[in-house]
Amino acid sequence: AQSVTQLGSHVSVSEGALVLLRCNYSSSVPPYLFWYVQYPNQGLQLLLKYTSAATLVKGINGFEAEFKKSETSFHLTKPSAHMSDAAEYFCAVSYGGATNKLIFGTGTLLAVQP
Amino acid sequence: GAVVSQHPSRVICKSGTSVKIECRSLDFQATTMFWYRQFPKKSLMLMATSNEGSKATYEQGVEKDKFLINHASLTLSTLTVTSAHPEDSSFYICSAEPPSGGYNEQFFGPGTRLTVL
Repeated sequence: AQSVTQLGSHVSVSEGALVLLRCNYSSSVPPYLFWYVQYPNQGLQLLLKYTSAATLVKGINGFEAEFKKSETSFHLTKPSAHMSDAAEYFCAVSYGGATNKLIFGTGTLLAVQP
Repeated sequence: GAVVSQHPSRVICKSGTSVKIECRSLDFQATTMFWYRQFPKKSLMLMATSNEGSKATYEQGVEKDKFLINHASLTLSTLTVTSAHPEDSSFYICSAEPPSGGYNEQFFGPGTRLTVL
């Protein structure tokens, strides 16, 4: 079965430091890949998505992710963390088609220290 | 554009009662909507796929008689938790998918916090 693995349920960085949140998927067929952010008691907001175009995807709020087929990875990065980046981040995969179901990873809680 | 709303945002009910949650796509038509459940500090679990004009498709392990889904129009899907119990307390999130061929992006609602006493 297809799955998404997010390494690190909690990541803490200092303000201004590099943010790296890891995501690996299991599939022999390249999927569509997404990163979502969730603030407390709110729904999900799409940060960026990979849909088989450019492998380096730029998203909102300065985030970007690179699709690496050889590593089955789609890690999320941001060069300089801001206090407002503190939130839960979810990686998700979809295979499109008739039923466009999203399979979510377990999430990574990002804390940004002043 | 692409705004999805949910109502109510928060509801508290007594055990044994039924609760209805609405999910609306405000500026687009959605042939398909999805209902997710999120436990505290956990990921989202897909409960069911709601298709306009047809029966919902439930994921394995989700009780269809307990979680009734109705996709009445291209902009509205409802989730009714029947005979709610404390273990049904959770954060319920819906998403909506605009119609087109191939891949479609899902737009998420803000969620509904259900507390069953």
